[in-house]
Amino acid sequence: QQQVKQSPQSLIVQKGGISIINCAYENTAFDYFPWYQQFPGKGPALLIAIRPDVSEKKEGRFTISFNKSAKQFSLHIMDSQPGDSATYFCAAVKSGGKLIFGQGTELSVKP
Amino acid sequence: KAGVTQTPRYLIKTRGQQVTLSCSPISGHRSVSWYQQTPGQGLQFLFEYFSETQRNKGNFPGRFSGRQFSNSRSEMNVSTLELGDSALYLCASSLRLVSQETQYFGPGTRLLVL
Repeated sequence: QQQVKQSPQSLIVQKGGISIINCAYENTAFDYFPWYQQFPGKGPALLIAIRPDVSEKKEGRFTISFNKSAKQFSLHIMDSQPGDSATYFCAAVKSGGKLIFGQGTELSVKP
Repeated sequence: KAGVTQTPRYLIKTRGQQVTLSCSPISGHRSVSWYQQTPGQGLQFLFEYFSETQRNKGNFPGRFSGRQFSNSRSEMNVSTLELGDSALYLCASSLRLVSQETQYFGPGTRLLVL
């Protein structure tokens, strides 16, 4: 049973545009929601994370929006650049639990 | 500070064999987690070790096992390999349990089972 559903599976955005990736979760016990970025041949790297007590967190061009009542959260990449082309994973974890990943979104930013 | 290192980086085995993968966490990190990454199933949690004790386990058969040593280094073993075990195996370390702390991933070991 997949507990974190991620969409879209792939995304093509023009340089300078906004990339939006969405995730939905089922387990209300989750209390930490990280996003990971993975380049080919590399392991995932933490990009940004949020806890459910805040509705939005921004770090540079990356923003997480969190909707606790809808059990959804999303990643917005502003002014997308070709260097942002990578696979993005949302994830969720509850205290003492294991990290559950979404299926991943392959982002391609066209110059 | 050196990052998470995994050895070997690439491995080719045949069905029925067994394999051992190694992970050295970032210095001072006490938690090590293992993940299997495949195109079809994505990133799936295998197990987490903290202070030499398995703290969490994913939904994988008993052929998959692991351990952690007193220096926090970890190994995972897969016995009686199947074609479907071909995957990228990722190790990640953190200071505390994964639910409390940022994880740092290694580059992975790519296993091909023929």
